[in-house]
Amino acid sequence: QSALTQPASVSGSPGQSITISCTGTSSDVGGYNYVSWYQQHPGKAPKLMIYDVSNRPSGVSNRFSGSKSGNTASLTISGLQAEDEADYYCSSYTSSSTLNVFGTGTKVTVL
Amino acid sequence: EVQLVESGGGLVQPGRSLRLSCAASGFTFDDYAMHWVRQAPGKGLEWVSGISWNSGSIGYADSVKGRFTISRDNAKNSLYLQMNSLRAEDTALYYCAKDLVSEVIPSFDYWGQGTLVTVSS
Repeated sequence: QSALTQPASVSGSPGQSITISCTGTSSDVGGYNYVSWYQQHPGKAPKLMIYDVSNRPSGVSNRFSGSKSGNTASLTISGLQAEDEADYYCSSYTSSSTLNVFGTGTKVTVL
Repeated sequence: EVQLVESGGGLVQPGRSLRLSCAASGFTFDDYAMHWVRQAPGKGLEWVSGISWNSGSIGYADSVKGRFTISRDNAKNSLYLQMNSLRAEDTALYYCAKDLVSEVIPSFDYWGQGTLVTVSS
């Protein structure tokens, strides 16, 4: 099971919107609405930002939103803030014997 | 407050075994699936294994299948990972993570701080 494909880095200025893509196959991202997104600051544990493609857990800012089209899921961060600078990982349930696969990770830089 | 506290990591020689534990509190442990996720130094996240609320459904990453065994003790609110035949590539920070639901449909809403496993001679 190969990792889901994410861009290595994305950057934006404060206040701008950015979008991170997560490309898989019909066996994972395209086949199920079980895509999650995680934010990880250096030296910290990951934090769930989006689950089931587009749902936000309680306490997560509504500046974060998720969507999916075909085999590609996306995380959009609007009104970019300095605190959003972190690594972001997507994750999907998969029909393969490996039940879950993570993305390769994207480093978000706030200019 | 949900708390997940991992223990059992350390330095181990290739081919040896190690058992990780995760003590859970602050939620009804036997209502949720649980998972182990690892992160090699400077690398991305890798799901290792997951177990449903009643241990009826278990999954493993291909990279650890046949070597690692996940288990849970709902009476003790604890999750375990028995790691055998360890390899250098198993070196990582191992996180315990709680699922959103009772079955193994991985979405991890709470994470521990991790326990470091180093496999080296």
